[in-house]
Amino acid sequence: ETGVTQTPRHLVMGMTNKKSLKCEQHLGHNAMYWYKQSAKKPLELMFVYSLEERVENNSVPSRFSPECPNSSHLFLHLHTLQPEDSALYLCASSPSGTSGSDEQFFGPGTRLTVL
Amino acid sequence: GQNIDQPTEMTATEGAIVQINCTYQTSGFNGLFWYQQHAGEAPTFLSYNVLDGLEEKGRFSSFLSRSKGYSYLLLKELQMKDSASYLCAVTDSNYQLIWGAGTKLIIKP
Repeated sequence: ETGVTQTPRHLVMGMTNKKSLKCEQHLGHNAMYWYKQSAKKPLELMFVYSLEERVENNSVPSRFSPECPNSSHLFLHLHTLQPEDSALYLCASSPSGTSGSDEQFFGPGTRLTVL
Repeated sequence: GQNIDQPTEMTATEGAIVQINCTYQTSGFNGLFWYQQHAGEAPTFLSYNVLDGLEEKGRFSSFLSRSKGYSYLLLKELQMKDSASYLCAVTDSNYQLIWGAGTKLIIKP
């Protein structure tokens, strides 16, 4: 148990669907992250929230929309996705997000397939 | 641009020693992490280096040379359960983690 949970674990959706990914951390951390992991590519940081404020948006397409209602929960809303968006989406949390030594704790990920 | 390089795949024998290298070019440096990721699972923390030198933790050791932009992860007495991907990541000047693509380590009996 890593203290970070994600649902669903697997998701298959059509290009016209709207779905949401959910992440919850039970570690009392102040920072949360969404990453995209594609085969044989580095983890791509999508969004960072620190104390519920978005602090990073790495030029992610608008079809991905994050939401952080409180420091324990993070959502990723998906709409009109493309097949190339198929990947493993990982959520992570860290104590502060503003320290070089902050270890990130990862959830198990959501395996997304876009048809 | 920012870049982390590590070998794509390595193979080693059970009971042996393997060294996984990582070189980096980033805007600023606030530390280097190694994570382990088994297939289908989340990455888990292995080590953190911010000063030059060797950090030893059981069968795993991590080395850092900031002047060379270089690190390695050393795994001793390899076990079959060490088969996994090993991810190198550097914290840049904005405290964002820059990730390598990972090294897939295959352990053979």
